[in-house]
Amino acid sequence: QLHLQESGPGLVKPSETLSLACSVSGASIRRSSSYWGWIRQPPGKGLEWIGNIYYSGNTYYNPSLKSRVTIFVDTAKNQLSLNLMSVTAADTALYYCVEGQITIKDDAFDVWGQGTMVTVSS
Amino acid sequence: YELTQPPSVSVSPGQTARITCSGEALPQQSAYWYQQKPGQAPVLLIYKDSERPSGIPERFSGFRSGTTGTLTISAVQAEDEADYYCHSPDGSGTYQVFGGGTRLTVL
Repeated sequence: QLHLQESGPGLVKPSETLSLACSVSGASIRRSSSYWGWIRQPPGKGLEWIGNIYYSGNTYYNPSLKSRVTIFVDTAKNQLSLNLMSVTAADTALYYCVEGQITIKDDAFDVWGQGTMVTVSS
Repeated sequence: YELTQPPSVSVSPGQTARITCSGEALPQQSAYWYQQKPGQAPVLLIYKDSERPSGIPERFSGFRSGTTGTLTISAVQAEDEADYYCHSPDGSGTYQVFGGGTRLTVL
């Protein structure tokens, strides 16, 4: 069974780069039927899609974050990663790693990690 | 691109709850629904408008017509009290968008 576990620094200073990792267990991150993504949720607010990465290597990002975000995979570690540059307090959120099965469920975010909280503060 | 949901819906136990999601691209794109209980990660309830993942009770159903997708919860139970989010790609199919979420209160 697929399991996703996010990890990160917890606290990031304004203007710095936020880096998060998502360890994937139960499947290869290079599984051709899967795509991977990040979604965040500010405290007390709704869900915001950050971006996806597909088997092809193609990435798609939320236009509002595109200039600051990079999503990539580390196949050796079977891990998904997120970098978000020049963070501000508005980037304070619970960050979720997600997996989808595009061949079966199209764009659905099928499996979610438990999330990792990131606070941006000096 | 935006998906619009009612902020809140209230229903008594045993009744039917309907949560709508409106978006200009919904005639071309499928709708997806997630349930999020306090302190938990969201769970996929409905994919491709009306399909249920294994393990999701039959009382959760979905439908899409025109610019509106609808999540229906039949015979609502106290445990269904949660936030519900719709999700759909934009018209190009490239970018993913979430609705603002609907808090379901079971009276």
